[in-house]
Amino acid sequence: DGGITQSPKYLFRKEGQNVTLSCEQNLNHDAMYWYRQDPGQGLRLIYYSQIVNDFQKGDIAEGYSVSREKKESFPLTVTSAQKNPTAFYLCASSPQPGPLLAKNIQYFGAGTRLSVL
Amino acid sequence: QKEVEQDPGPLSVPEGAIVSLNCTYSNSAFQYFMWYRQYSRKGPELLMYTYSSGNKEDGRFTAQVDKSSKYISLFIRDSQPSDSATYLCAMSPRGSSNTGKLIFGQGTTLQVKP
Repeated sequence: DGGITQSPKYLFRKEGQNVTLSCEQNLNHDAMYWYRQDPGQGLRLIYYSQIVNDFQKGDIAEGYSVSREKKESFPLTVTSAQKNPTAFYLCASSPQPGPLLAKNIQYFGAGTRLSVL
Repeated sequence: QKEVEQDPGPLSVPEGAIVSLNCTYSNSAFQYFMWYRQYSRKGPELLMYTYSSGNKEDGRFTAQVDKSSKYISLFIRDSQPSDSATYLCAMSPRGSSNTGKLIFGQGTTLQVKP
């Protein structure tokens, strides 16, 4: 089955701790994205990557870091600098950025719910 | 002002009703429009997508884009309890300003009561 796998489903962070959320896709998509969703709010972009070994900050990158060493993997680290990390984190991918409609469609994983202990 | 505005609801309707969900936007460069459905504690799934203006129909769902008014709609006919979810609109611009980033609305929570 092709898709996007996020793990773990639930994650708890202690104060001062860094935690890493996993995102793996087997859709052969070039672009990958990380979003944060808070209750009653839409999706806010944290980081995105259009190609391996390259990524850009989104609207709320502070306190987060990413890497893109492989096409199929885009892990997100929530650092201790992120003072309010409790949220639902969603990873998405798309074929590649570009002017065609199909390239604008993003496909999402099931999400990771992060809470602070 | 947000680039995309969507009434968060909640919207509660009886089973069988016609539902209208709407988003307004301010950026006239937006060309690609999508509707995602998100069940509680799940990731969003693509429901409908359209390019530029016009209507698109898929079963009980119709997506409508009015670029002159900067307004998009999703209509659900014969609504079912299984349609109860949060509906997110998303859009992106045309041309060189397109980086693949989507701009999302806040999402509207819909409840269809049996």
